[in-house]
Amino acid sequence: SYELTQPPSMSVSPGQTASITCSGHKVGDKYTCWYQQKAGQSPVLLIYQDTKRPSGIPERFSGSNSGNSATLTITGTQPMDEADYYCQAWDSSTDVVFGGGTKLTVL
Amino acid sequence: EVQLVQSGAEVKKPGESLKISCKGSGYSFMTHWIAWVRQMPGKGLEWMGIIHPGDSDIRYSPSFQGQVTISADKYRSTAYLQWRSLKASDTAKYFCARQTTSSSWDFWGQGTLVIVAS
Repeated sequence: SYELTQPPSMSVSPGQTASITCSGHKVGDKYTCWYQQKAGQSPVLLIYQDTKRPSGIPERFSGSNSGNSATLTITGTQPMDEADYYCQAWDSSTDVVFGGGTKLTVL
Repeated sequence: EVQLVQSGAEVKKPGESLKISCKGSGYSFMTHWIAWVRQMPGKGLEWMGIIHPGDSDIRYSPSFQGQVTISADKYRSTAYLQWRSLKASDTAKYFCARQTTSSSWDFWGQGTLVIVAS
C-alpha cells in the first residue's frame, strides 16, 4: 500500500522558515494537500493541489511537490503556527493516504 | 456559511452498536462528497471512507472496509457513520469533512468523541 512519510517533529524559531517534508514514491505525480491541526481543534486545509491556498490562509504558507517529496514551507513562522501538520495524497489503489503528521514547535 | 455539525460525544460498552451523524448546511449537500476520518488518542489522521450524498456512492479505505458502515440521507443533509459491534480499539475522535472538486477537504465538522469501555 502507498505510504507518505513525515518527520514526527521539528522545531523552529519565531520569524524563521520551517520546511516540512512529505516523502512518498513518485508523490510528485499526485496532487497533495496539507492540513494544520491545533491542539483540540479540527484540521484546517492549508494547501491543495500542491501549491494553492484556500481563501483566508496567510501567504506565509506555501507548498511544492516534485519527485518523491512534497514540502510545506512556512515563511516567517509565528508562535500561532505551533500545531500538527499532515500531508495528504490520493493513490489509485487506496484512494486517500495521510502522512503520519509533524508536530511543529515554535520556540 | 458552510457548516458541518456532528453529533455529540458517546460512551459505549464493547459489543454495543452506534451511529453518529454529520449534518451539512450552507451549501448543496447533495453535490459534495463527505469523508470520515478517525483520530485515535494522541495519533494522526486516518481516512475511513467517503460518500456522495446525491447517489450514495461509497468508497471505503481498505483498513475500514467491513468494520464500519457509511451512509447518507440527502433529504436531511446528513451523513452517518455506523458500527454494529464496538471494540475498545474504536475509541477515537471521528471527523467528517466536505470534499471539494480538487479532492481536498475544505470544511470539517467539530468531531465526535467515541469512548468504548467496559
